[in-house]
Amino acid sequence: KQEVTQIPAALSVPEGENLVLNCSFTDSAIYNLQWFRQDPGKGLTSLLLIQSSQREQTSGRLNASLDKSSGRSTLYIAASQPGDSATYLCAGALGAGGTSYGKLTFGQGTILTVHP
Amino acid sequence: EAQVTQNPRYLITVTGKKLTVTCSQNMNHEYMSWYRQDPGLGLRQIYYSMNVEVTDKGDVPEGYKVSRKEKRNFPLILESPSPNQTSLYFCASRPLGRELAYEQYFGPGTRLTVT
Repeated sequence: KQEVTQIPAALSVPEGENLVLNCSFTDSAIYNLQWFRQDPGKGLTSLLLIQSSQREQTSGRLNASLDKSSGRSTLYIAASQPGDSATYLCAGALGAGGTSYGKLTFGQGTILTVHP
Repeated sequence: EAQVTQNPRYLITVTGKKLTVTCSQNMNHEYMSWYRQDPGLGLRQIYYSMNVEVTDKGDVPEGYKVSRKEKRNFPLILESPSPNQTSLYFCASRPLGRELAYEQYFGPGTRLTVT
């Protein structure tokens, strides 16, 4: 059974700090990995998608990397701001066959708090 | 605006009373899916559909039904809700085609409470 794990479960940092969120998965046969942001009581906002053929993606202050051989992905947030406070989820499209066409396996998330 | 919409956003109901949560997307996506999110368990897939009239079970399908009569709509049906179906539900969609190159878009969520 595929598993996705996120460490740490919670993180509190002062404003301006650079930080890294970690995501690991048990099956290296990953098709893509997607990072989401979830605000309390809200839906999921897609941040970055990394395809299996890529090693990283960047969007503004966010950079996500993917290392299939080690089963890891990281989300780097530069110069964090209080508005970055949210739960961050990673999700992988894992496995083979027809069900891999859309099913995402989610990690439990990292609750990030950026304090002024 | 490209989006996935869900209705209702909040619902409190009683055990055994049939209900339907609607999901609609305006992006002409082939693939649609339902997830539930529970504390400590994360998001888990309930059902998915790869196109009109094509649906299949996800990881936790028990107690749920779906239908896909139109491309844009993918309702989730609880024929006889039970308290263990109290959860936050998300609908998602993505296009098919170039394999898994596309990100998924999620609706705003439906918070369901079954008493």
